[in-house]
Amino acid sequence: EAQVTQNPRYLITVTGKKLTVTCSQNMNHEYMSWYRQDPGLGLRQIYYSMNVEVTDKGDVPEGYKVSRKEKRNFPLILESPSPNQTSLYFCASSQRTSGDRDNEQFFGPGTRLTVL
Amino acid sequence: AQKITQTQPGMFVQEKEAVTLDCTYDTSDPSYGLFWYKQPSSGEMIFLIYQGSYDQQNATEGRYSLNFQKARKSANLVISASQLGDSAMYFCAMREGTETSYDKVIFGPGTSLSVIP
Repeated sequence: EAQVTQNPRYLITVTGKKLTVTCSQNMNHEYMSWYRQDPGLGLRQIYYSMNVEVTDKGDVPEGYKVSRKEKRNFPLILESPSPNQTSLYFCASSQRTSGDRDNEQFFGPGTRLTVL
Repeated sequence: AQKITQTQPGMFVQEKEAVTLDCTYDTSDPSYGLFWYKQPSSGEMIFLIYQGSYDQQNATEGRYSLNFQKARKSANLVISASQLGDSAMYFCAMREGTETSYDKVIFGPGTSLSVIP
C-alpha cells in the first residue's frame, strides 16, 4: 500500500530536549516536505527536499533541521524544542514534475507534539 | 510574496445543496498548480482536485469542480449535492516553481464547512 508514515504519532516533551520525528514514504517520490498546522493559520511549510541531499527552507524553518540521506526518509529534527513549537506536524511526499496532478502530495497521518 | 487567501472561516450548507468555497492567490510565477485538500475531524489530509496554471478548462473530480479565473487569481472549489460527510476543513494550496518542477508550497488558512441535515 502506497503510504507516508510518521513516528511518533503523539509526543509530549520538555523544553530543550532534542527530538526527531521520522517520515518515510514507499512511493519513490523525489519531493518530500514538512508542515506544521496551527489553528487559524493552515499548514505552513517548514522545509522541503527536491531529492536526496537537496533541501530548502519553507516559510517557518527556524528551530528545525532536516536531512535527506535516502530517498524514502526525511526526518525532522528539533535540536532544542520550545513551547512555541507545540503543533501538529505533517510530512508529505510527491512527484516533483509539474504540469499535472501527479504532483499531488500524499500526507502522513500527522504527529501531535507538545513541548512543556 | 506568495499568498493564499480563504475569506470564509466557516460556512454552513444544507444537505444536497451546492456550496462554493473561495480561494484567491497571489503569485508572480507563470507556472503554478492549485490544489484543494479536505481535512475531516479525524485529521488526515485528503486530496480533492488540482488545477494547473496552463490548463484551459476548469478541473472536475466527481462532485468537486474548480472555478478557475486566472485573471482574477481565484480558484474557488464548488461542491455539488453536499453530503453530511463533506463536513470538514478545506484548504486551498499553491505549488510554485519552474515549468518543469514544483518546489515551494503554500496553504491558505482553511474554511470549515458544516453540512446541515
